[in-house]
This record gives sequence, C-alpha cells and structure tokens, in this order.
Amino acid sequence: NAGVTQTPKFQVLKTGQSMTLQCAQDMNHEYMSWYRQDPGMGLRLIHYSVGAGITDQGEVPNGYNVSRSTTEDFPLRLLSAAPSQTSVYFCASRKAEGGGNGYTFGSGTRLTVV
Amino acid sequence: DAKTTQPTSMDCAEGRAANLPCNHSTISGNEYVYWYRQIHSQGPQYIIHGLKNNETNEMASLIITEDRKSSTLILPHATLRDTAVYYCIVNSGGSNYKLTFGKGTLLTVNP
Repeated sequence: NAGVTQTPKFQVLKTGQSMTLQCAQDMNHEYMSWYRQDPGMGLRLIHYSVGAGITDQGEVPNGYNVSRSTTEDFPLRLLSAAPSQTSVYFCASRKAEGGGNGYTFGSGTRLTVV
Repeated sequence: DAKTTQPTSMDCAEGRAANLPCNHSTISGNEYVYWYRQIHSQGPQYIIHGLKNNETNEMASLIITEDRKSSTLILPHATLRDTAVYYCIVNSGGSNYKLTFGKGTLLTVNP
C-alpha cells in the first residue's frame, strides 16, 4: 500500500490563481480530511468526507472547495488563492468502522501564495 | 472534544524511556485518548490510542489513570529519530471525524 499520497509536494501561486491539491489513498478508507498547518499553530480541519459523494465543512473552510467522487480521491480546490492561504496542507484518511481507528496522514503540500 | 494539557517541551537521553504526560480532566466516558507525533516537516503519524485499559504496540505504551483524567505515553527506548512533537488528542472516534490538535510536546532525544 502506498498509503496517502499528496501531490504536488511544493507549489508557488500568484494571488488570484486557482489550483487543486491532490490526495489519494489506496487503503479503502471511508473517511478523508484536509488540514492546514501554519507556523506555531496546530493543524486545523478544512473539509472532510465520510464517503464518496459526501463532504462537509471543518473549522476553516472559506476559500476552499472539495468533492469526493470516488473512495480513493479527495481533491482540495483553491478557487482564488490569497496570501493567507500560504500554509502546509495535509490530507488524512481512516476506516469508518471501529471506534478508535487512527488517521493516516500524507506527507503534505507546501503552498506559498505571493 | 475534551481539552488536553501537555508540557511544551521535554528532553530525554537516547536509550532511556521517554514518558510524556497528558491531562484530560474533562474527558467523557465514550472518548478515546489518541497519541500522534509529527517529525519535523512530515505529516503526523498515529502512535496509539486507548479508552480505559493500558495499551501497548510496537511503537509505544499508553498508560491511562483509573479515573481517566490523565495519561502517559511511554517510548521505552528513545532514539534520536523519536525527536518530534507529540500530540495527545481526546476524541470519541466513530462518527467524530475532527481531530483537534493542540500545540503538543516537543520531545528532544539527546545523544
């Protein structure tokens, strides 16, 4: 298993540009989430999905869109990038069943908006 | 989710046991204690979790007090590669999708 794969690893955008951060997992996990991590702060939840076709907002959803057309993929879209979206983005997934499963995280996408 | 309190930083000598404490005095009966760690510039890594009983896996042991108001993560033989930020998170699991990360404990393992 490759686990959770995030692409690209690094990206520089100009203000106003749009882009999609890719996240794929091959573990047949139902739950997938996107977090952002800013310096000196913990990870904050952006959006999450409990299965294909089902998504919901997390703590900091503004400026981001998601969709979940397959179990494997959960892309994060930045519609019009802003400097405030400069951050490290992590995708995570876990099995739905069982009360205490841990999340598997990807290695992150480091995004800079200039 | 219940709030957790962890020391900001700790040091440990290589080869010795690292004991990382966490207070979660408002934990409710259906909430699990999870531990994750984040090595510099990498994604968080799940370590272990527990509900009431002590747990052990290949990475660590988790000791939960009888009243469940605190817990300790034990790395039995710390190595330099265990230097990381360790997060203690309380979550009810199941349909509770959100992990609330605090600032964690920076564990530095010294040679």
